Amino acid sequence: DAKTTQPPSMDCAEGRAANLPCNHSTISGNEYVYWYRQIHSQGPQYIIHGLKNNETNEMASLIITEDRKSSTLILPHATLRDTAVYYCIVRVGMYSGGGADGLTFGKGTHLIIQP
Amino acid sequence: DARVTQTPRHKVTEMGQEVTMRCQPILGHNTVFWYRQTMMQGLELLAYFRNRAPLDDSGMPKDRFSAEMPDATLATLKIQPSEPRDSAVYFCASVDTSGGETQYFGPGTRLLVL
Repeated sequence: DAKTTQPPSMDCAEGRAANLPCNHSTISGNEYVYWYRQIHSQGPQYIIHGLKNNETNEMASLIITEDRKSSTLILPHATLRDTAVYYCIVRVGMYSGGGADGLTFGKGTHLIIQP
Repeated sequence: DARVTQTPRHKVTEMGQEVTMRCQPILGHNTVFWYRQTMMQGLELLAYFRNRAPLDDSGMPKDRFSAEMPDATLATLKIQPSEPRDSAVYFCASVDTSGGETQYFGPGTRLLVL
């Protein structure tokens, strides 16, 4: 799986959009970008994933650059409950030849939402 | 709301004792993962099963760790004998690969070996 680079920490004011960047300059054509988060003392939680196109769900939006070398996770209206470590993971998708294998977690970004 | 459950949630034991952690995956999920999280190493994959068959346990110390799936509703991770360096949070996650790859994690077992 390709390596990712994320800032170790970020602050965001409550109610504002939180934009979390991720660099994955060595991403391959069949690799997806996945985002998980881990709230303190809980198990990781899936947020969103994408291949090329921007994606949006009830939790967040994922913006992937045209060259796919970086992406941004957007939490549109951050709340205190969004304080967590956010992990950007790049991996071959199951439907692209991957085997639905285990996830390789980096250090992630510790997002702190300020009241 | 289907969830992965893990027991016990907390375990304190003495070095040399056997530790067994249990995981109940979401009903119908065919793939189960075990992860370990420490401050130093972060989240690491230990082993995983698909349709109860072990697929990869390369992340697991073989001499003292063992993982099994006696049936589709139970996965176990055993440490024998336990050592202080095994102190960590152990997470189980499950996936229904017929519906995608999203992994659903349990709340973890927090293990402290004295």
